Amino acid sequence: QKEVEQDPGPLSVPEGAIVSLNCTYSNSAFQYFMWYRQYSRKGPELLMYTYSSGNKEDGRFTAQVDKSSKYISLFIRDSQPSDSATYLCAMSRPDSGNTPLVFGKGTRLSVIA
Amino acid sequence: GAVVSQHPSRVICKSGTSVKIECRSLDFQATTMFWYRQFPKKSLMLMATSNEGSKATYEQGVEKDKFLINHASLTLSTLTVTSAHPEDSSFYICSARDRQGESGYTFGSGTRLTVV
Repeated sequence: QKEVEQDPGPLSVPEGAIVSLNCTYSNSAFQYFMWYRQYSRKGPELLMYTYSSGNKEDGRFTAQVDKSSKYISLFIRDSQPSDSATYLCAMSRPDSGNTPLVFGKGTRLSVIA
Repeated sequence: GAVVSQHPSRVICKSGTSVKIECRSLDFQATTMFWYRQFPKKSLMLMATSNEGSKATYEQGVEKDKFLINHASLTLSTLTVTSAHPEDSSFYICSARDRQGESGYTFGSGTRLTVV
């Protein structure tokens, strides 16, 4: 079993839809959870950063972490064509900053106008 | 927020030559820099972890003599692809976390290397 599982998609939704992106993981030591957005031929851009379990909201984006189920989600409300990108979940253990992130494979999202 | 500047964004070189990619943390001190490689439509593959003032730690299967990493200061890390071959053509991305480690990891904009 891989440390982080993420459905690669592609996922295609109409403009205005609510998008749900998910990742599961196996390492219970993970405490930091992130969602990155990557446009084609660009570096990943940090969208959401959460510590341990709970919800975090930022504009149209909501991140949820359920450590008991080892499951994290990213919700995008009122999706826009500009949201079309690859979304990568990432996570790490608590440390001094030397531990690399463990990534999911990324989900390709297309929002159709 | 934290910014990592990566240059060049795109480079084409001939087989056998070397290419240097730079990553600078602009508004924070990056004790650790991570270097990734990404193939089309694939996720990021960690190549190495570099710590300021010490030797880089390479992932299994990554040739340290081919991919030279230098992290001479808290704001600059470089990756040099030596004696490049067409199979080295890829998208290379750096990432750093500020010294306090209180925020997510910041990525550079990536370098697309094409070896002809």
